[in-house]
Order: sequence, then C-alpha cells, then structure tokens
Amino acid sequence: DTAVSQTPKYLVTQMGNDKSIKCEQNLGHDTMYWYKQDSKKFLKIMFSYNNKELIINETVPNRFSPKSPDKAHLNLHINSLELGDSAVYFCASSRRTRQETQYFGPGTRLLVL
Amino acid sequence: AQSVAQPEDQVNVAEGNPLTVKCTYSVSGNPYLFWYVQYPNRGLQFLLKYITGDNLVKGSYGFEAEFNKSQTSFHLKKPSALVSDSALYFCAVRDLAAAGNKLTFGGGTRVLVKP
Repeated sequence: DTAVSQTPKYLVTQMGNDKSIKCEQNLGHDTMYWYKQDSKKFLKIMFSYNNKELIINETVPNRFSPKSPDKAHLNLHINSLELGDSAVYFCASSRRTRQETQYFGPGTRLLVL
Repeated sequence: AQSVAQPEDQVNVAEGNPLTVKCTYSVSGNPYLFWYVQYPNRGLQFLLKYITGDNLVKGSYGFEAEFNKSQTSFHLKKPSALVSDSALYFCAVRDLAAAGNKLTFGGGTRVLVKP
C-alpha cells in the first residue's frame, strides 16, 4: 500500500532516555514533516525537510534532532527525554509546491514516565 | 504570521441534520486552506482544500467547504450528518506570502453525531 508509515506506534520510556521514531513514505514526495500533537489535541509543526535539506525548524529544543537519510525517510531522535515530551508525533509528506496536500502517518504515541 | 481559529470546541448534531464546522483564518498574503479529519487513535485524513477558483469546494465523504475572502472564513459543511462522521476536525492554512510550506492548524473541533 502507498502510505506514510511510522515506527513504533507506541513508545513508553523513562525520563532521561534517548529514543528515535522512524518515518517512511512511498508516495514519491520530496518534502517530509514532523508534527507534535499535545494532550489537548493541538497540532504544531516541528520540522520540515525537502530532499534531505532542513527548511523549517520551529524553535524546537535542540534535544530533538531530525535526520533524513534520503527523501523517502525522515527520522526523529530525541535526547534526554522529559515529561513534557509526552505527546503524539505525526510524520507527514507532500510534494514541495505549495498547493500540494500533506499526507499524514498514523502517529507515534510517546509516553515519558 | 498565519493563524487559524476554530471557535467551537465541540459541535453536537443529530444524524441526518446539516453539519457545520466553523473556521476563520488570518494571513498576510493569499491563503491555501485545508480541512482534515482525525478519528480516534488515528492519523489525520485529508478531506478537501481551497487553492483557487470556485469558492465552494467539494471533498471526500460528502463534505464541502465555502471560502469567503471578505469574512476570512472557510467553514466545513455536510448536508446530512452520519454517526460515522463523529471525529475531530482540523482546519489549516498556508500563507502564500510566507517562506516554506508551513501549515498552521486550528485547535480542532470535536463533532458528535447522535443517532
């Protein structure tokens, strides 16, 4: 199936740990995004990559480091996890042109204890 | 800066009745506008978008939205709601005057359709 996929679906970890979330899209898109949805369902962009180049960085703490090995993958690594990092993280992808729709993955539910 | 407001946290409607979910936006240039739906424990699904042209946009699952430039609104509508339409709905805007493809979302409106 063509889609945006994320692993893992659920992630429960202790404060201070380092964790990674992986995202892959097989839609042939050249731009990928990470969004954070908090407990109140508010959705905000964190990062955007186009052809492995960072184009949006929304004042996210530097404990968060996105990595794009190729244009079909955008991973999110989080160092020294904090309680406030608990959220649902969504990956999305689109073509770069501005009228294009962003397609979202199923989300990764991160719980920091 | 671009922003989106969804003034209603929740909308309750009886099955078969018309459904409206309100959205207003603020941009410095011209907007691209989007509606997404999120079912419980799922990702966001695209419903429809306004780019240019006809102010009335038709989308998936019988939904439509009307772009009103003078009122800076993009309300989502469905003539006859189904119980299965119960979900969280997000309006989003992209400002053509801003760099990048940044999409700004509203706070979401929970729709509850009662049988």
